[in-house]
Amino acid sequence: AQKITQTQPGMFVQEKEAVTLDCTYDTSDPSYGLFWYKQPSSGEMIFLIYQGSYDQQNATEGRYSLNFQKARKSANLVISASQLGDSAMYFCAMRERQGGSEKLVFGKGTKLTVNP
Amino acid sequence: DSGVTQTPKHLITATGQRVTLRCSPRSGDLSVYWYQQSLDQGLQFLIQYYNGEERAKGNILERFSAQQFPDLHSELNLSSLELGDSALYFCASSQGALGANVLTFGAGSRLTVL
Repeated sequence: AQKITQTQPGMFVQEKEAVTLDCTYDTSDPSYGLFWYKQPSSGEMIFLIYQGSYDQQNATEGRYSLNFQKARKSANLVISASQLGDSAMYFCAMRERQGGSEKLVFGKGTKLTVNP
Repeated sequence: DSGVTQTPKHLITATGQRVTLRCSPRSGDLSVYWYQQSLDQGLQFLIQYYNGEERAKGNILERFSAQQFPDLHSELNLSSLELGDSALYFCASSQGALGANVLTFGAGSRLTVL
């Protein structure tokens, strides 16, 4: 069963506007973490933002914020004041326990294109 | 530069061959994770090592193996290569258990099997 769902294969936004990238997750573990990574065309994976399941406030990092709605199991990424350099693939990931260890499970990603 | 070093960056080889991908984790990180990124499967977790010991296994084929050495660098060995093994292979590291620790990724090794 897919544990991280990103329903938007592609999104377009005008430069300087805000955009929301959707992510829903499925877990029965009360302790989990949600991550967003950016992958530009050059291929590297860049960490953007983290939200823990017990965190009371939504995470923010500069122009990135996470709209965390626990009851709906959603963790949407909001990018404010989009820049051309924000054009990239964006992946939502969840920390999942496996035996005595943990791993990150990734969604399929959303390709964001910022238009001038 | 993320601090995680992967070599080689690009590799082209033929079906049936064997290759080794190498990863040096960020200084101070004890955990190494390997991921495979292909167009149809997305980012798939392969295997994790912590301080030299295997900790978790994901969708890793029997033709693939990995190890982490005493100096904490890791190698992923891919044998009897098939066309479908063509992918971007990432190594990532973290200090220990994930918790709120971020996985730091290397730049990846792009494998093309012809």
